[in-house]
Order: sequence, then structure tokens, then C-alpha cells
Amino acid sequence: AQKITQTQPGMFVQEKEAVTLDCTYDTSDQSYGLFWYKQPSSGEMIFLIYQGSYDEQNATEGRYSLNFQKARKSANLVISASQLGDSAMYFCAMREGYNTDKLIFGTGTRLQVFP
Amino acid sequence: DTAVSQTPKYLVTQMGNDKSIKCEQNLGHDTMYWYKQDSKKFLKIMFSYNNKELIINETVPNRFSPKSPDKAHLNLHINSLELGDSAVYFCASSQDYGDEQFFGPGTRLTVL
Repeated sequence: AQKITQTQPGMFVQEKEAVTLDCTYDTSDQSYGLFWYKQPSSGEMIFLIYQGSYDEQNATEGRYSLNFQKARKSANLVISASQLGDSAMYFCAMREGYNTDKLIFGTGTRLQVFP
Repeated sequence: DTAVSQTPKYLVTQMGNDKSIKCEQNLGHDTMYWYKQDSKKFLKIMFSYNNKELIINETVPNRFSPKSPDKAHLNLHINSLELGDSAVYFCASSQDYGDEQFFGPGTRLTVL
């Protein structure tokens, strides 16, 4: 079974609109972490946001927020006020357990922002 | 003042050759990683080192050998390169277990 599932291979959004990128995960651990990374066409991987399984509040970082629904095992990324520079691949990743550094990545969603 | 740097950025070589990719981080992090991103953009961990000690080895062929001379460096040596080794290889580092990982710019390896 896939540990991290990103069901949207591609998404389009108009500039200044909000967009939600879906991510569901599968784990039996109580302690885990969820991450989102951005990969622009230039290829680098940029860390965006982190949510711990015990965090009660949804994580936010500027225009990025993570809609964490633990019972549904989903960790969707919300980008508000999209900008042209947000066009990129977005990867959801999970760290299972507490004392581990192994990240498992989803297959990614390609976001295109149009004017 | 790049945080995680890799050299070279591009590497084109013939099948059967041996090559190395170097990685350095100046963040003072204790843990470093190698990931492989295939042509379908799927990213998978290969190795992780914590303070020069191998922690994770994800059933990678033993043609791949990571070497960590100190905690700021983690190099990847690949023997007898095969066509299937063509990919983008990313180095990353994190302060400690479970912390966010910071990635290098990637090395695009093409095996002909």
C-alpha cells in the first residue's frame, strides 16, 4: 500500500486564487511528521511546511497552510493568493515514528498558476 | 553561502565507469542523506548518516557507496554505472532526527 498518496497529478489555478493540494497518508504509528516540499523547474527541493502528529493547531507558514485532518489521515497543502512563481511540483512526505529520519515521498502534484 | 551544495551539477558518463558526487553542508547539521529522483519524479531515500555513522541503507545495490569523511560532508561513489542509474541525486541534511531536511540543488546523472 502507498504510504503517501497524492491523487492530483496536475492542478491549475488562477493567480491570486487559493488552491488545495491533496495528500493522504497511511501509518499505524502514533508519532509521525508530515512535510511539504516544492520543486520548481530549476530542480531544487524547497522545504515549505511541517506538521507533527501531536500538533493541535494546523501549521502555517506565510501563504502556506496545512489542513491536517488526523482522523481522515489527510494533510492537504493550501496555498493562498497564488503567484506565478508558485508554479512547480509539490511533494508531500511523511516521517514515520519519532526517532527516525526517513522521509517517504508521494508522487507529487504539478501546479500551474496562470495569469 | 549555499547551505547544502553538490558537485557536479551535471554528470554524463559511459556505462561501466565509476563516478563520485560530492556533498557539503555548512548548516552544522548532524544528519545527511542521499536521495534518488527517477524520471517520473519519484523521490526515494538511499542512505542517511548521522555524525559520520550510517543509519539508513535502503536496499541500494552495493555499487553505491556513501562516504562521510566528517559530518559536514557526505559523498556518493558509484561503481560500474548502469543505464538505470540515470537520475537526479539529491543530498540533504537535517539538524536531528525528524527535523525538516534541507536539500542540495541536485546532480543530474546521465549514463550512456
